[in-house]
Amino acid sequence: EPEVTQTPSHQVTQMGQEVILRCVPISNHLYFYWYRQILGQKVEFLVSFYNNEISEKSEIFDDQFSVERPDGSNFTLKIRSTKLEDSAMYFCASTKGTSSSYEQYFGPGTRLTVT
Amino acid sequence: RKEVEQDPGPFNVPEGATVAFNCTYSNSASQSFFWYRQDCRKEPKLLMSVYSSGNEDGRFTAQLNRASQYISLLIRDSKLSDSATYLCVVIRSYNTDKLIFGTGTRLQVFP
Repeated sequence: EPEVTQTPSHQVTQMGQEVILRCVPISNHLYFYWYRQILGQKVEFLVSFYNNEISEKSEIFDDQFSVERPDGSNFTLKIRSTKLEDSAMYFCASTKGTSSSYEQYFGPGTRLTVT
Repeated sequence: RKEVEQDPGPFNVPEGATVAFNCTYSNSASQSFFWYRQDCRKEPKLLMSVYSSGNEDGRFTAQLNRASQYISLLIRDSKLSDSATYLCVVIRSYNTDKLIFGTGTRLQVFP
Protein backbone atom coordinates (compact mmCIF):
# COMPACT_ATOMS: atom_id res chain seq x y z
CA GLU A 1 0.00 0.00 0.00
CA PRO A 2 1.46 3.41 -0.96
CA GLU A 3 2.60 5.57 1.94
CA VAL A 4 3.75 9.09 2.63
CA THR A 5 7.41 9.09 3.62
CA GLN A 6 9.36 11.74 5.51
CA THR A 7 13.03 12.40 6.21
CA PRO A 8 14.76 12.79 8.53
CA SER A 9 12.91 11.06 11.35
CA HIS A 10 14.64 13.27 13.89
CA GLN A 11 16.44 16.58 13.38
CA VAL A 12 18.30 18.45 16.09
CA THR A 13 19.29 22.01 15.31
CA GLN A 14 20.47 25.12 17.08
CA MET A 15 18.29 28.18 17.43
CA GLY A 16 18.68 30.47 14.44
CA GLN A 17 19.66 27.70 12.03
CA GLU A 18 17.73 26.81 8.90
CA VAL A 19 16.16 23.38 8.54
CA ILE A 20 14.54 21.61 5.62
CA LEU A 21 12.09 18.81 6.25
CA ARG A 22 11.37 16.50 3.36
CA CYS A 23 8.33 14.54 2.35
CA VAL A 24 7.42 12.24 -0.52
CA PRO A 25 3.62 12.24 -0.85
CA ILE A 26 1.65 9.31 -2.28
CA SER A 27 2.32 9.32 -6.02
CA ASN A 28 -1.15 9.94 -7.46
CA HIS A 29 -2.11 12.52 -4.84
CA LEU A 30 -2.50 16.15 -5.84
CA TYR A 31 -2.90 18.05 -2.55
CA PHE A 32 -0.16 18.28 0.03
CA TYR A 33 -0.10 19.54 3.59
CA TRP A 34 2.14 20.22 6.55
CA TYR A 35 0.87 19.91 10.11
CA ARG A 36 2.71 20.12 13.38
CA GLN A 37 2.15 18.74 16.87
CA ILE A 38 3.88 20.23 19.88
CA LEU A 39 4.41 17.58 22.56
CA GLY A 40 1.23 17.04 24.55
CA GLN A 41 -0.87 19.25 22.28
CA LYS A 42 -3.22 18.70 19.37
CA VAL A 43 -2.26 18.45 15.73
CA GLU A 44 -2.33 21.89 14.03
CA PHE A 45 -2.55 22.78 10.37
CA LEU A 46 0.31 24.79 8.88
CA VAL A 47 -0.14 24.94 5.12
CA SER A 48 -1.79 23.34 2.11
CA PHE A 49 -0.29 23.19 -1.39
CA TYR A 50 -1.86 22.47 -4.73
CA ASN A 51 -0.78 23.01 -8.32
CA ASN A 52 2.59 24.38 -7.24
CA GLU A 53 1.28 27.05 -4.97
CA ILE A 54 0.07 27.57 -1.43
CA SER A 55 -3.70 27.29 -1.27
CA GLU A 56 -4.10 28.05 2.43
CA LYS A 57 -1.87 28.79 5.41
CA SER A 58 -2.40 29.25 9.12
CA GLU A 59 -1.28 32.15 11.28
CA ILE A 60 1.56 29.91 12.51
CA PHE A 61 2.96 29.81 8.96
CA ASP A 62 4.74 33.15 9.02
CA ASP A 63 7.61 34.48 6.90
CA GLN A 64 10.03 32.07 8.56
CA PHE A 65 8.31 29.16 6.83
CA SER A 66 8.24 28.22 3.18
CA VAL A 67 7.21 25.19 1.15
CA GLU A 68 8.36 23.91 -2.19
CA ARG A 69 7.83 21.06 -4.56
CA PRO A 70 11.28 21.05 -6.19
CA ASP A 71 10.59 18.06 -8.42
CA GLY A 72 7.78 15.65 -9.23
CA SER A 73 8.04 13.70 -6.00
CA ASN A 74 9.41 15.75 -3.09
CA PHE A 75 7.57 18.30 -0.99
CA THR A 76 9.65 20.31 1.47
CA LEU A 77 9.08 22.57 4.46
CA LYS A 78 11.83 25.07 5.23
CA ILE A 79 12.15 26.97 8.47
CA ARG A 80 14.59 29.82 7.92
CA SER A 81 15.67 30.72 11.42
CA THR A 82 14.46 28.21 13.96
CA LYS A 83 13.20 29.21 17.40
CA LEU A 84 12.89 27.11 20.53
CA GLU A 85 9.11 27.08 20.10
CA ASP A 86 9.44 25.42 16.69
CA SER A 87 10.31 22.18 18.50
CA ALA A 88 7.53 19.77 17.51
CA MET A 89 6.60 16.79 15.34
CA TYR A 90 6.05 17.90 11.77
CA PHE A 91 3.73 15.73 9.70
CA CYS A 92 3.32 15.81 5.97
CA ALA A 93 0.00 14.63 4.52
CA SER A 94 -1.48 14.15 1.08
CA THR A 95 -4.82 13.44 -0.55
CA LYS A 96 -6.22 12.77 -4.00
CA GLY A 97 -8.63 15.63 -3.47
CA THR A 98 -11.34 14.18 -5.68
CA SER A 99 -15.00 14.51 -4.81
CA SER A 100 -14.95 10.90 -3.65
CA SER A 101 -12.01 11.29 -1.34
CA TYR A 102 -10.72 14.13 0.76
CA GLU A 103 -9.14 11.67 3.13
CA GLN A 104 -5.67 12.82 4.10
CA TYR A 105 -2.89 10.32 4.75
CA PHE A 106 -0.05 11.24 7.05
CA GLY A 107 3.65 10.46 6.94
CA PRO A 108 5.50 9.19 10.02
CA GLY A 109 6.68 12.68 10.93
CA THR A 110 9.96 14.46 11.61
CA ARG A 111 10.72 15.25 15.23
CA LEU A 112 12.39 18.67 15.25
CA THR A 113 14.32 19.62 18.36
CA VAL A 114 15.63 23.19 18.56
CA THR A 115 18.26 23.79 21.23
CA ARG B 1 -15.05 27.59 22.73
CA LYS B 2 -12.87 24.95 21.05
CA GLU B 3 -13.84 24.14 17.49
CA VAL B 4 -13.66 20.39 18.12
CA GLU B 5 -14.16 19.09 21.65
CA GLN B 6 -13.47 15.65 23.00
CA ASP B 7 -13.34 14.12 26.45
CA PRO B 8 -9.60 13.51 26.97
CA GLY B 9 -10.19 10.34 29.00
CA PRO B 10 -8.43 8.08 29.67
CA PHE B 11 -11.01 5.37 29.14
CA ASN B 12 -9.74 2.18 30.77
CA VAL B 13 -11.70 -0.85 29.58
CA PRO B 14 -11.18 -4.64 29.69
CA GLU B 15 -10.66 -6.66 26.55
CA GLY B 16 -13.97 -7.50 24.93
CA ALA B 17 -15.75 -4.39 26.21
CA THR B 18 -17.70 -1.95 24.09
CA VAL B 19 -16.60 1.66 24.38
CA ALA B 20 -18.02 4.84 22.88
CA PHE B 21 -16.38 8.20 22.28
CA ASN B 22 -18.17 11.43 21.57
CA CYS B 23 -17.07 14.61 19.93
CA THR B 24 -18.80 17.95 19.38
CA TYR B 25 -17.95 20.59 16.81
CA SER B 26 -18.84 24.24 16.98
CA ASN B 27 -19.10 25.26 13.33
CA SER B 28 -22.45 24.25 11.88
CA ALA B 29 -21.07 24.65 8.35
CA SER B 30 -18.57 21.82 8.89
CA GLN B 31 -18.64 19.47 5.94
CA SER B 32 -16.44 16.45 6.44
CA PHE B 33 -15.76 14.37 9.49
CA PHE B 34 -13.18 11.72 10.33
CA TRP B 35 -11.87 9.58 13.12
CA TYR B 36 -8.11 9.07 13.25
CA ARG B 37 -6.13 7.06 15.75
CA GLN B 38 -2.74 8.08 17.03
CA ASP B 39 -0.30 5.87 18.86
CA CYS B 40 2.20 7.51 21.19
CA ARG B 41 4.61 9.74 19.23
CA LYS B 42 3.37 8.41 15.88
CA GLU B 43 1.42 9.91 13.02
CA PRO B 44 -2.39 10.14 12.95
CA LYS B 45 -3.77 7.17 11.01
CA LEU B 46 -7.15 7.42 9.32
CA LEU B 47 -9.62 5.08 10.96
CA MET B 48 -12.74 6.07 9.06
CA SER B 49 -14.63 8.90 7.46
CA VAL B 50 -17.99 9.66 9.05
CA TYR B 51 -21.05 9.92 6.84
CA SER B 52 -24.47 11.35 7.58
CA SER B 53 -26.05 7.92 7.30
CA GLY B 54 -23.55 6.44 9.73
CA ASN B 55 -21.01 3.83 8.75
CA GLU B 56 -19.47 0.68 10.05
CA ASP B 57 -16.09 -0.95 9.47
CA GLY B 58 -15.75 -4.24 11.29
CA ARG B 59 -15.86 -3.54 15.02
CA PHE B 60 -16.00 0.22 14.51
CA THR B 61 -19.17 2.26 13.99
CA ALA B 62 -19.27 6.00 13.43
CA GLN B 63 -22.33 8.24 13.63
CA LEU B 64 -22.92 11.86 12.75
CA ASN B 65 -25.71 14.02 14.15
CA ARG B 66 -25.66 17.32 12.26
CA ALA B 67 -28.52 18.83 14.23
CA SER B 68 -26.63 18.40 17.51
CA GLN B 69 -23.19 18.88 15.90
CA TYR B 70 -22.02 15.65 17.42
CA ILE B 71 -19.95 12.71 16.16
CA SER B 72 -19.51 9.38 17.85
CA LEU B 73 -17.28 6.33 17.53
CA LEU B 74 -18.25 2.95 18.94
CA ILE B 75 -15.70 0.17 19.32
CA ARG B 76 -17.07 -3.31 19.97
CA ASP B 77 -15.10 -6.26 21.36
CA SER B 78 -12.10 -4.11 22.31
CA LYS B 79 -8.65 -5.57 21.68
CA LEU B 80 -5.39 -4.72 23.43
CA SER B 81 -4.22 -3.30 20.11
CA ASP B 82 -7.04 -0.72 20.18
CA SER B 83 -5.15 1.14 22.92
CA ALA B 84 -4.38 4.53 21.40
CA THR B 85 -5.62 8.11 21.26
CA TYR B 86 -8.67 8.62 19.06
CA LEU B 87 -8.81 11.95 17.26
CA CYS B 88 -12.02 13.57 16.08
CA VAL B 89 -11.29 15.62 12.96
CA VAL B 90 -13.42 18.05 10.99
CA ILE B 91 -13.17 20.01 7.76
CA ARG B 92 -14.81 23.34 8.40
CA SER B 93 -16.45 24.21 5.08
CA TYR B 94 -16.42 23.76 1.31
CA ASN B 95 -13.82 26.55 1.01
CA THR B 96 -11.09 24.77 2.86
CA ASP B 97 -9.56 21.33 3.14
CA LYS B 98 -7.53 21.86 6.29
CA LEU B 99 -8.18 19.36 9.03
CA ILE B 100 -9.22 20.69 12.43
CA PHE B 101 -8.23 18.24 15.13
CA GLY B 102 -9.67 17.62 18.56
CA THR B 103 -7.24 17.00 21.40
CA GLY B 104 -8.10 13.29 21.34
CA THR B 105 -9.54 10.69 23.70
CA ARG B 106 -7.13 8.19 25.16
CA LEU B 107 -8.20 4.55 25.29
CA GLN B 108 -6.39 1.92 27.33
CA VAL B 109 -7.58 -1.67 26.93
CA PHE B 110 -6.38 -4.02 29.65
CA PRO B 111 -6.30 -7.86 29.70
